[in-house]
Amino acid sequence: NFMLTQPHSVSESPGKTVTISCTGSSGSIASNYVQWYQQRPGSAPTTVIYEDNQRPSGVPDRFSGSIDSSSNSASLTISGLKTEDEADYYCQSYDSSKPHWVFGGGTKLTVL
Amino acid sequence: QVQLVESGGGLVKPGGSLRLSCAASGFTFSDYYMSWIRQAPGKGLEWVSYISSSGSTIYYADSVKGRFTISRDNAKNSLYLQMNSLRAEDTAVYYCAREGAAPFGYWGQGTLVTVSS
Repeated sequence: NFMLTQPHSVSESPGKTVTISCTGSSGSIASNYVQWYQQRPGSAPTTVIYEDNQRPSGVPDRFSGSIDSSSNSASLTISGLKTEDEADYYCQSYDSSKPHWVFGGGTKLTVL
Repeated sequence: QVQLVESGGGLVKPGGSLRLSCAASGFTFSDYYMSWIRQAPGKGLEWVSYISSSGSTIYYADSVKGRFTISRDNAKNSLYLQMNSLRAEDTAVYYCAREGAAPFGYWGQGTLVTVSS
C-alpha cells in the first residue's frame, strides 16, 4: 500500500521559515498531485496547497509547495511564520493502483 | 457559498449501525464528486469513501469495505454513509467533503460517531 510519511512535529520561531516534508513509500510521488491541508484545533481542514504548488485564493504567498523526485518527497514551506500558522498540516495524494486517496500522518507545527 | 452540514452521528454499540447524512447547499450538487473522510480522536485524517457525481463510481478504503455504503440523492442535494457492523476503531469525527481545486476542497464541520458498549 502507498503511504505518505510526515514528521510528527516541528517547531520554529515567529518570522522564521519552516519546511514540512512528506515522503512517499513507493513509486514516484510526482506521478500524482500532492495537496496540503491545514487543520486548526476544533476545526475542519482547509486547503493551503493543491496540485503540488498551487495556492487557493486567500492563502498567503508565505505558503509554498514543492516536489523533489530524487527523494520521492513533497514539501510545504511556510515563511515569515506567524502564531496563527500553528496547526496540524497533512499532505495528501492518490494511490492510482487501488484507487484510494491517501493522507500523511500529519505534522503538528508549533510557533513559539 | 458552499455549505456542507453533516448529521446522524451518535453513540452506537459494537456491531450496530448508523446512517450519516450530509446536506449540501450553495452549489450544483450533481456536478461534483463527494467523499467521506474520518478522524479518530487525537489522530490523523483517513479517507473513507468516494462517490462520483452521478453515483455510478464508488470506492472504499479497505478498512470499511463490505461494511459501509456510500450513496447520494442528487434531487435532495444529499450525501449518505450507511455504516454497519460498527467497531470501536470506527469511532471518529466523520467529514463529508466536496472536490474543489483540491480533491477535498470543501469540508463540513463533521459529525462524531462513537462506538462503545
